[in-house]
Amino acid sequence: EAGVAQSPRYKIIEKRQSVAFWCNPISGHATLYWYQQILGQGPKLLIQFQNNGVVDDSQLPKDRFSAERLKGVDSTLKIQPAKLEDSAVYLCASSQTPGAVEYFGPGTRLTVL
Amino acid sequence: GQQLNQSPQSMFIQEGEDVSMNCTSSSIFNTWLWYKQDPGEGPVLLIALYKAGELTSNGRLTAQFGITRKDSFLNISASIPSDVGIYFCAGQEAAGNKLTFGGGTRVLVKP
Repeated sequence: EAGVAQSPRYKIIEKRQSVAFWCNPISGHATLYWYQQILGQGPKLLIQFQNNGVVDDSQLPKDRFSAERLKGVDSTLKIQPAKLEDSAVYLCASSQTPGAVEYFGPGTRLTVL
Repeated sequence: GQQLNQSPQSMFIQEGEDVSMNCTSSSIFNTWLWYKQDPGEGPVLLIALYKAGELTSNGRLTAQFGITRKDSFLNISASIPSDVGIYFCAGQEAAGNKLTFGGGTRVLVKP
């Protein structure tokens, strides 16, 4: 069974630029999560989708971050415009149902200069 | 919001040693999870605990769900070089709720 796929693996941008990350969850997993992991810290949930609907986006900085999962499968996370403090690894995870075991992708490492 | 304090923040291991780490919370959790993260990879689930007092093993790993439901422990017996990595605890207040992660314990090999 294929795992969670993410791309790109690395991205370097300058502050005030825009960036987008893509995630393809494990086939059949209805729940998809985006996490932000700052160096030296544990992952922090940004947004949770159930199929194509948002379940929890309480920790998403909505002035600059947006995410969508239009067809209930793939998802994109966008930052516009980026700030220096957005430098982090962005992890995507999926689970069969909310609260079930979450399987993580390899992450996208973002560096904002 | 909830906070998970994980300790130690880092530790050095020598092959063959047993190591322990723990996680404490300001809130009660119904589920405790332990993940390991290798460099450049996402966290991988090691052990899941669903009941207060539960003791669960996975090979050389043993984890316990504290009786107070505010803490959990992970032990690694007879450590080997591939045990190096960052171990995270994560808690879930109720079924379907989001996970809250600790800050991680970085396990390194003694020089």
